[in-house]
Amino acid sequence: KNEVEQSPQNLTAQEGEFITINCSYSVGISALHWLQQHPGGGIVSLFMLSSGKKKHGRLIATINIQEKHSSLHITASHPRDSAVYICAFITGNTPLVFGKGTRLSVIA
Amino acid sequence: EPEVTQTPSHQVTQMGQEVILRCVPISNHLYFYWYRQILGQKVEFLVSFYNNEISEKSEIFDDQFSVERPDGSNFTLKIRSTKLEDSAMYFCASSKNGGAAEQFFGPGTRLTVL
Repeated sequence: KNEVEQSPQNLTAQEGEFITINCSYSVGISALHWLQQHPGGGIVSLFMLSSGKKKHGRLIATINIQEKHSSLHITASHPRDSAVYICAFITGNTPLVFGKGTRLSVIA
Repeated sequence: EPEVTQTPSHQVTQMGQEVILRCVPISNHLYFYWYRQILGQKVEFLVSFYNNEISEKSEIFDDQFSVERPDGSNFTLKIRSTKLEDSAMYFCASSKNGGAAEQFFGPGTRLTVL
């Protein structure tokens, strides 16, 4: 069964802290997505990656295909980063498989 | 910047009623998806649609569900006879290419079945 595990489930950080959210999966994948779900429920795609590292502003995503592991990092965290961060993968032409998400709260 | 839109943002219905959730994908995208998220649970795939037909569907997508692209812009999800357990957030997504291509999500429709 295709599985994706995220850790931690919940994370509280002080403004300015460096944050890491981890994602592990159990099968060979074609691509991995990092998504952000706002408190109102909307989902925004942050990254899609199949190897290496991507950076966008204060967000960095890395993936290690051999270890079946990906991380999302947030530098200089801010209260507006508070959201649920979801890892999802796709294998070949199968549908996206989603993790349960990591709930991040950044306190000023 | 182009975006996926969904209407309504919140739908309340009585059990047994039919509901239609509407989505307008990004205009040059060819692949369309519906997902749902029951409160407190993870997002689950329902169905994917390409070239005017369903390309894949999950076990959740039973005979009570149907999808349609009635014109060049809308993509709809119909639930024929709603159950209490259909209460969830429903997300539409679209992508330019299929497979591992990046998907763009709409803001969701919160469906409440009473």
